Amino acid sequence: GENVEQHPSTLSVQEGDSAVIKCTYSDSASNYFPWYKQELGKRPQLIIDIRSNVGEKKDQRIAVTLNKTAKHFSLHITETQPEDSAVYFCAPLRGQTGANNLFFGTGTRLTVIP
Amino acid sequence: KAGVTQTPRYLIKTRGQQVTLSCSPISGHRSVSWYQQTPGQGLQFLFEYFSETQRNKGNFPGRFSGRQFSNSRSEMNVSTLELGDSALYLCASSPGPGTGELFFGEGSRLTVL
Repeated sequence: GENVEQHPSTLSVQEGDSAVIKCTYSDSASNYFPWYKQELGKRPQLIIDIRSNVGEKKDQRIAVTLNKTAKHFSLHITETQPEDSAVYFCAPLRGQTGANNLFFGTGTRLTVIP
Repeated sequence: KAGVTQTPRYLIKTRGQQVTLSCSPISGHRSVSWYQQTPGQGLQFLFEYFSETQRNKGNFPGRFSGRQFSNSRSEMNVSTLELGDSALYLCASSPGPGTGELFFGEGSRLTVL
């Protein structure tokens, strides 16, 4: 199965600073790379994703970059705000299986200090 | 459009009992997958159903089972409950298999005493 690691496990930043979370995976056949955000006591929600034919995708303050050769992808949050405080999960998917059995990373707890 | 609905939201059981959790996916979504979330193990894949067929199963014992109905609603069952089964069980729906984009419900929080 897929071996997924996230770094760092916890991250504290001052409001307005940037945050970067890195996800490494082992399955070279993975071709879909999403990031989920889970606020305390709430459901995980997809915030951004990228497919293997694209190197970078941006949506307002968040972006995801992919390095398929090195088998890692990263979440970038700029101009952080207190509402960005949450646990973030990466979940690469091996699309060829035709299934939605995502392998979630262990999560990164981001705290944005006002 | 209504989101993914899970019932019950909270439940308490004792060891040895069994439990059934229900999930109604987003209208039009035919793929339903289940995940177990615990502080120690994180989010782990249980199984996925599409068109009433189990397409994939995670590394869980046979006490964990599920099914999907013709209207895409899904249930999961855990028999002979153990203390370690205490967790948040999350259901996620998706337009189809292999798309990767999951829409999660709020979860069913199971406590086993």
